[in-house]
Amino acid sequence: EGQLVESGGGLVQPGGSLRLSCSASGFIFSTFAMHWVRQAPGKGLEYVSAIGINGENTNYADSVKGRFIISRDNSKDTLYLQMSSLRPEDTAVYYCVKDKGRVFDIWGQGAMVTVSS
Amino acid sequence: DIQMTQSPSTLSASVGDRVTITCRASQSISSWLAWYQQKPGKAPNLLIYKASFLESGVPSRFSGSGSGTEFTLTISSLQPDDFATYYCQQYKSYSVTFGQGTKLEVK
Repeated sequence: EGQLVESGGGLVQPGGSLRLSCSASGFIFSTFAMHWVRQAPGKGLEYVSAIGINGENTNYADSVKGRFIISRDNSKDTLYLQMSSLRPEDTAVYYCVKDKGRVFDIWGQGAMVTVSS
Repeated sequence: DIQMTQSPSTLSASVGDRVTITCRASQSISSWLAWYQQKPGKAPNLLIYKASFLESGVPSRFSGSGSGTEFTLTISSLQPDDFATYYCQQYKSYSVTFGQGTKLEVK
């Protein structure tokens, strides 16, 4: 059974930056696309970004395009999300998720990001 | 983007009830639909993919059906552990989208 563990969440001021990390174990990380999905407090799920197995193919929701960068290090079994120009509306729990043909079969526990002054 | 609309937003039911949640897509998504269950403070859990395929380890009381633009998730006999929020997700397009959620609560 695979596992994903996010880290790097916290409180940041509007306009600031933060990098989330997601450490994978229990499956061959380098053979799966990976994604980030977020959930604002009391709200539903929102797709954020995706990355292919080699890191060359990426995709972003319009709401984060140009501000967030997804990347991965297959030698470290780790997924990243570099977030910049953060806005209050980016406040959410950020989940790292494993791809199963663009459905998500393994989720991390989530990392809380709060954007507030 | 493909819009996903779930109904109802809240559903009150009792243990043993048969319950159905509906998800409608703004355009045809063939069978590219998944369902997730989420409990408070926890990450979502995949229940069904490709509209009707049960994820490994998911109880058989859960079933999914539909194609095109209209889909249903059915729980045949509600158990205490099933009270949660349920989300549908389309993955026909690379930018996947979720429904707004259906909260299944105790009647």
